[in-house]
Amino acid sequence: DAKTTQPPSMDCAEGRAANLPCNHSTISGNEYVYWYRQIHSQGPQYIIHGLKNNETNEMASLIITEDRKSSTLILPHATLRDTAVYYCIVRVAIGNQFYFGTGTSLTVIP
Amino acid sequence: DAGVTQSPTHLIKTRGQQVTLRCSPKSGHDTVSWYQQALGQGPQFIFQYYEEEERQRGNFPDRFSGHQFPNYSSELNVNALLLGDSALYLCASSLDFFGESPLHFGNGTRLTVT
Repeated sequence: DAKTTQPPSMDCAEGRAANLPCNHSTISGNEYVYWYRQIHSQGPQYIIHGLKNNETNEMASLIITEDRKSSTLILPHATLRDTAVYYCIVRVAIGNQFYFGTGTSLTVIP
Repeated sequence: DAGVTQSPTHLIKTRGQQVTLRCSPKSGHDTVSWYQQALGQGPQFIFQYYEEEERQRGNFPDRFSGHQFPNYSSELNVNALLLGDSALYLCASSLDFFGESPLHFGNGTRLTVT
């Protein structure tokens, strides 16, 4: 029961910023947005999460719109190792129940 | 600091058999969740354990059951295996049940049912 919508695929040139969009129009006020990525045959890797403020860590930045109905994950300088499937997830308020959609397959091109 | 570890990494079973998958959470984590990931799909939530009890359950039949031990490790059991149970089974742990801490995933067990 994914509550998010993402484009199925995107390309990005190596060294450029990768901007991955996500729509979550039915998000509730106390629900967080999380981003994960999955490289083939590995478990999903946590990237970043936020509630309503923009967040930044060593991997990426998360920009959440003021109405919280959409967000964008920014990888500032994409490398070939960033090629993966990226999942945007809205976490149900109680417990750590994450609903994954089908994600965005990002290909970083040399 | 070891992350989430799962065993075995690969498993082949015959239809109708039973299987047990194991998971050790990341150090300090007390909540464990299990996910099933079919080829080309996103992970699907099976259930979640906290304080040795099943707290949340996804849309999976009773053939799927689990257990959490006092040391927070967990098992996933699947009875009467079907061909459609072939998938990557992922275990994830988190620091707390009620907070915002993210899930940390293992690399999964690849189950093939023939």
